[in-house]
Amino acid sequence: QLQLQESGPRLVKPSETLSLTCIVSGDSISSSGYYWGWIRQPPGKGLEWIASIYYSGSTFYSPSLKSRVTISVAPSKNQFSLKVSSLTAADTAVYYCARCLQKADAFDIWGQGTMVTVSS
Amino acid sequence: DIQLTQSPSFLSASVGDRVTITCRASQGISSYLAWYQQKPGKVPKLLIYAASTLQGGVPSRFSGSGSGTEFTLTISSLQPEDFATYYCQQLNSYPITFGQGTRLEIK
Repeated sequence: QLQLQESGPRLVKPSETLSLTCIVSGDSISSSGYYWGWIRQPPGKGLEWIASIYYSGSTFYSPSLKSRVTISVAPSKNQFSLKVSSLTAADTAVYYCARCLQKADAFDIWGQGTMVTVSS
Repeated sequence: DIQLTQSPSFLSASVGDRVTITCRASQGISSYLAWYQQKPGKVPKLLIYAASTLQGGVPSRFSGSGSGTEFTLTISSLQPEDFATYYCQQLNSYPITFGQGTRLEIK
């Protein structure tokens, strides 16, 4: 059974760069028919898509975050990653990694999420 | 960007009620719409994709319909475990967008 697990710091300082990794277990990240993404949710608010990456390496970013975000994949480690630079308090959120089922264009499996607080 | 507007934002209902949540897109998205359920402190769960296809393991009391710009999620007979927040999401085109959510509470 496919599982996703986010890893990364819980507390980061303003202006710093956040690095998160999503470890995929139970299947290959290179399997066709899927792609991978990051979604975040500020406390008490709704879901915000950040970025997606296909197994081909194609990437897509939220326009509002594009200048500060990089998504990448490491097939040999069966994981994918997210970097968010120039952090502010507005980036405080639960960050989820998720698998997107290509035939459905919907996120069918999610990680448990990791709460990231941006504070000095 | 395609904006998704859910209505209502808040809904109070009783066990056994039939409820409908609407999601309107700012432009046509064919059937590229999904619905998620999220309970407090929990991970979002995919309920429906392609506007009307039930994800495996989701109870049949959930159903989705619509195409173009107007979509609905219907719960035919509310169960206690259905009280949660529901989100729609589109992937007709990037960027992926979510609706603002509909919070369903017990009356």
